[in-house]
Amino acid sequence: DAGVIQSPRHEVTEMGQEVTLRCKPISGHDYLFWYRQTMMRGLELLIYFNNNVPIDDSGMPEDRFSAKMPNASFSTLKIQPSEPRDSAVYFCASSWWGVAQYFGPGTRLLVL
Amino acid sequence: GIQVEQSPPDLILQEGANSTLRCNFSDSVNNLQWFHQNPWGQLINLFYIPSGTKQNGRLSATTVATERYSLLYISSSQTTDSGVYFCAVATGGGNKLTFGTGTQLKVEL
Repeated sequence: DAGVIQSPRHEVTEMGQEVTLRCKPISGHDYLFWYRQTMMRGLELLIYFNNNVPIDDSGMPEDRFSAKMPNASFSTLKIQPSEPRDSAVYFCASSWWGVAQYFGPGTRLLVL
Repeated sequence: GIQVEQSPPDLILQEGANSTLRCNFSDSVNNLQWFHQNPWGQLINLFYIPSGTKQNGRLSATTVATERYSLLYISSSQTTDSGVYFCAVATGGGNKLTFGTGTQLKVEL
């Protein structure tokens, strides 16, 4: 299996621009998670889906963030408009039955 | 929310040494996982271990759920073991992981 795939791996953008991060979970996994990692706050869960349905989005920082999962093999995390404080590494993870989570390589986002 | 404390925060070992990393949590959990974040940033799942003991090669883990702690043992450490080790736990439904602050491990030749 190819593992969890994320794109892009690196993104540099200017404040105010829209950013879209993409994730392909491991085939057959029914849970998908979006995390953010920063030096100040560590690893934080933003939102997770079960069978393509958002279950808990309480970690989404504000309305500028949105996530979708249109099908079992694709999810997006969108930031609009982006701000410098959104700079972080964003991870996508997937699991089967919500147990062991497998992480993608992450997207390093820098907002100037 | 649940609190997760990991110790020690930093650890330096000589290659071949053994070590024990600890994770304490403040509430009952039904999901506990150990991860290794390598120097390139990749997060690797080591164990899913809400209770009991598991072993995988030179690594093993034990969770004593009734006493709210988990231990990760690394034997015969190698330089490739360097990185940050995270413990993550979830309560209730079991999917919303809360991560500890990690143990930064450096293995030297």
